Amino acid sequence: DAGVTQSPTHLIKTRGQHVTLRCSPISGHKSVSWYQQVLGQGPQFIFQYYEKEERGRGNFPDRFSARQFPNYSSELNVNALLLGDSALYLCASSLGQTSGANVLTFGAGSRLTVL
Amino acid sequence: RKEVEQDPGPFNVPEGATVAFNCTYSNSASQSFFWYRQDCRKEPKLLMSVYSSGNEDGRFTAQLNRASQYISLLIRDSKLSDSATYLCVVNIEWTPKQKSNDKVIFGPGTSLSVIP
Repeated sequence: DAGVTQSPTHLIKTRGQHVTLRCSPISGHKSVSWYQQVLGQGPQFIFQYYEKEERGRGNFPDRFSARQFPNYSSELNVNALLLGDSALYLCASSLGQTSGANVLTFGAGSRLTVL
Repeated sequence: RKEVEQDPGPFNVPEGATVAFNCTYSNSASQSFFWYRQDCRKEPKLLMSVYSSGNEDGRFTAQLNRASQYISLLIRDSKLSDSATYLCVVNIEWTPKQKSNDKVIFGPGTSLSVIP
């Protein structure tokens, strides 16, 4: 079975551009969450989606947005890129919202460099 | 104060040693708790869930103290392959009644190096 897949794996952008990152969850998983990880720090929660509905949002500016599609895949969009947006962006999937069902399986991440 | 705090590390221990990691969280609404490990330049992977009654998986033992908002991880008989960063994770879950914000909060991680 395929795990969580993310694309692209690496990308380079310049300040002011926008980026779209994609994530496909494990088959049967209905929840997708996004994280930003800067080198030397733990992942920072950005969004959680369940059944196409946003269920959680971290402390990120409105330049960050996301959505979940009917097939449970998800996109993370970042507009007006800043140098500080350079990071590893991780997607995780889980079964759903019930207690105990939130064990996360991560994809390998998309490494974004903003120049 | 950060929502989840961990021992700053790094921990450098010899093979066979016992090592303990500590984690505290600030939000009393936190409902589920986990330890993940992350190898260098890899994604985090679940090590174990943490329950109030405490739980053990081989050489690993996790404890949760809700009253003190404290989580611990004990690794016995350390192996070279245990070298990684250990992440404490706290989950505040969305509920239909409260419609609270579902959040997954990672600690900054504690680095462990097991030395031959």
